[in-house]
Amino acid sequence: QQQVKQSPQSLIVQKGGISIINCAYENTAFDYFPWYQQFPGKGPALLIAIRPDVSEKKEGRFTISFNKSAKQFSLHIMDSQPGDSATYFCAASFRSGSEKLVFGKGTKLTVNP
Amino acid sequence: GAGVSQSPRYKVAKRGQDVALRCDPISGHVSLFWYQQALGQGPEFLTYFQNEAQLDKSGLPSDRFFAERPEGSVSTLKIQRTQQEDSAVYLCASSRNNYGYTFGSGTRLTVV
Repeated sequence: QQQVKQSPQSLIVQKGGISIINCAYENTAFDYFPWYQQFPGKGPALLIAIRPDVSEKKEGRFTISFNKSAKQFSLHIMDSQPGDSATYFCAASFRSGSEKLVFGKGTKLTVNP
Repeated sequence: GAGVSQSPRYKVAKRGQDVALRCDPISGHVSLFWYQQALGQGPEFLTYFQNEAQLDKSGLPSDRFFAERPEGSVSTLKIQRTQQEDSAVYLCASSRNNYGYTFGSGTRLTVV
C-alpha cells in the first residue's frame, strides 16, 4: 500500500519556468510533510517542510501548498534553473522530523537552459 | 562531524556473502535511521534508533537484516546471506529530534 502518491514521474521545464510537483497522502495522522532534493550519487537533502496547520510555506524560490481537506500538497519551484535539475521526493511522517518518513516515488526534474 | 558519513560507498558482494555497512551520524544526533532505496524509487524505511535503543525495526525485510548501535553513535547494518534482491542503496540519516533529517550519501550494494 503506497501511502504517499507523487506525480508526475518526470518533468521537463524551461529555464525561468515554474515546476510543479504534486503529492497525495492517505493517512490523516500524518503531521509533517517535507520535500527532499536528491542529486545522483548523493543522499536526499531536506528542501522545505510544512505542517498541516498552515496552507502555504515559502522559502526563496520554493513554495509548498497544502490542502488538508483534499489530503494533497505540492511543491512549486519558481524561476526554475538548470541547477535545480534533480529528483524530488515528497514525504510524510507522524512527528516533525523525528519519526520514520514515508516517501513518494520521486519526480525527476530536468530544467533546460 | 559535519555530515553523516557512510562506508563503504560501494560494495559488491557475491550471493550468499555477509556484508556490514557503517554509519557515522552527526555528533549529538540522538535519532538514527536506515533506509533502502531501490533504483528509481523513493527511500523505504528499514529501522530506527534513539540513542542505543532500536525502537522500530518494522521495515527490515527479513531476519537476514540486522542493525545495531551499541554506544548510541555509530551504527552498523548487517545483511547475512545476501541475495540479488538486496541490491540497492542503503541510506543512513540522523536527526536531533524535531529538527529534520540529514542523510548520508549512502552505500551502493550490488549482489552478483
